Amino acid sequence: EAGVAQSPRYKIIEKRQSVAFWCNPISGHATLYWYQQILGQGPKLLIQFQNNGVVDDSQLPKDRFSAERLKGVDSTLKIQPAKLEDSAVYLCASSARLAGGEWRNFDEQFFGPGTRLTVL
Amino acid sequence: AQTVTQSQPEMSVQEAETVTLSCTYDTSENNYYLFWYKQPPSRQMILVIRQEAYKQQNATENRFSVNFQKAAKSFSLKISDSQLGDTAMYFCAFMKGSGGSNYKLTFGKGTLLTVNP
Repeated sequence: EAGVAQSPRYKIIEKRQSVAFWCNPISGHATLYWYQQILGQGPKLLIQFQNNGVVDDSQLPKDRFSAERLKGVDSTLKIQPAKLEDSAVYLCASSARLAGGEWRNFDEQFFGPGTRLTVL
Repeated sequence: AQTVTQSQPEMSVQEAETVTLSCTYDTSENNYYLFWYKQPPSRQMILVIRQEAYKQQNATENRFSVNFQKAAKSFSLKISDSQLGDTAMYFCAFMKGSGGSNYKLTFGKGTLLTVNP
């Protein structure tokens, strides 16, 4: 079974530019998460999707960050315009599989390799 | 809101020895999950071990075990027979168990473990 895929792995941009990250979750997983991990800190949830609907985006800076999961599979996270403090690793994770008519394994999240963003 | 505290920013251990990483958390929830995740240098986050709060028995996975003290809100990770490949950042994390469809993880700041040969 293929894991969570993310691209690009690294990105360097200047402040005020825009950038987009892509995530393809594990096949069949209904729930997709974007986390921001600033150097020296634990990951912080930015947004959670259940299929193509948003469950939690309370910590997403909506004036500059946006995310979508249009067909309930892969997802993009965009930053426009970027600030210096957006330098971080952006992690995508997925979980929850439908089995026997019930959602299962929602408690185990599988993480992708992350995208390291540097804003100069 | 839930908080997770890891009070040891860095630890080191000699190969083959045992080390314990500490984690405390604060919550008003009664039903929840606790996790330890491992993040090796420049590699992706992987789950080491998980504990359901309603289970009194401490979880174990091979060389990894936890000491879950629900009343004290403490969740430590013990690594036995440490190996060089255990060198990584270790994160303690919390998830509500009854949050409808909100299964977000709340992480601590991490403990950098170095296993020395």
